[in-house]
Amino acid sequence: DAGVIQSPRHEVTEMGQEVTLRCKPISGHNSLFWYRQTMMRGLELLIYFNNNVPIDDSGMPEDRFSAKMPNASFSTLKIQPSEPRDSAVYFCASSPHRSGNTIYFGEGSWLTVV
Amino acid sequence: DQQVKQNSPSLSVQEGRISILNCDYTNSMFDYFLWYKKYPAEGPTFLISISSIKDKNEDGRFTVFLNKSAKHLSLHIVPSQPGDSAVYFCAASANRGGGADGLTFGKGTHLIIQP
Repeated sequence: DAGVIQSPRHEVTEMGQEVTLRCKPISGHNSLFWYRQTMMRGLELLIYFNNNVPIDDSGMPEDRFSAKMPNASFSTLKIQPSEPRDSAVYFCASSPHRSGNTIYFGEGSWLTVV
Repeated sequence: DQQVKQNSPSLSVQEGRISILNCDYTNSMFDYFLWYKKYPAEGPTFLISISSIKDKNEDGRFTVFLNKSAKHLSLHIVPSQPGDSAVYFCAASANRGGGADGLTFGKGTHLIIQP
């Protein structure tokens, strides 16, 4: 079975550019999460969706970050404009609805902003 | 303010011995706890979990212990194997009655199993 699929795996971009990260959750999963991993802060929850609806975006660091889930099989996390401090690994994860709290991660998108 | 704390950034254990990874939490509303394992360049993968109604859960070489009064949990790996070398994340959740809420993670402990 296909797991959570993220793209791109690696991205290097210049400060000020727009970055779009993409995620395809596991088919049938109703909840989708975006996490960011840094050395300083570990794994932080940025935003999560239930049934394509954003439920909690309190972890989104600032207005430069936005996330959408136009349908059950696709989500994007956009950073505009990007800054060097946004450099991190961004993980997408999904979970079946009402199945407990186990979530399944993708392999991550490694972002470097120079 | 970190609600889930893993105070040991790294731990080195000899192969065959017991590995004990610790985790503390501050939020009394947490009622479900998980451990995730992460290899380099991969996403975290679920390892084992425990509900707050239990104090122990075992799965093969892995056992998680929960002490609610101390707000502390630990992961025991016996015997430790070279393939156990990875970063281990402790995570917690306050189940709000339906659907999966986001997990709150600790910063991780890098376990190194020495031959």
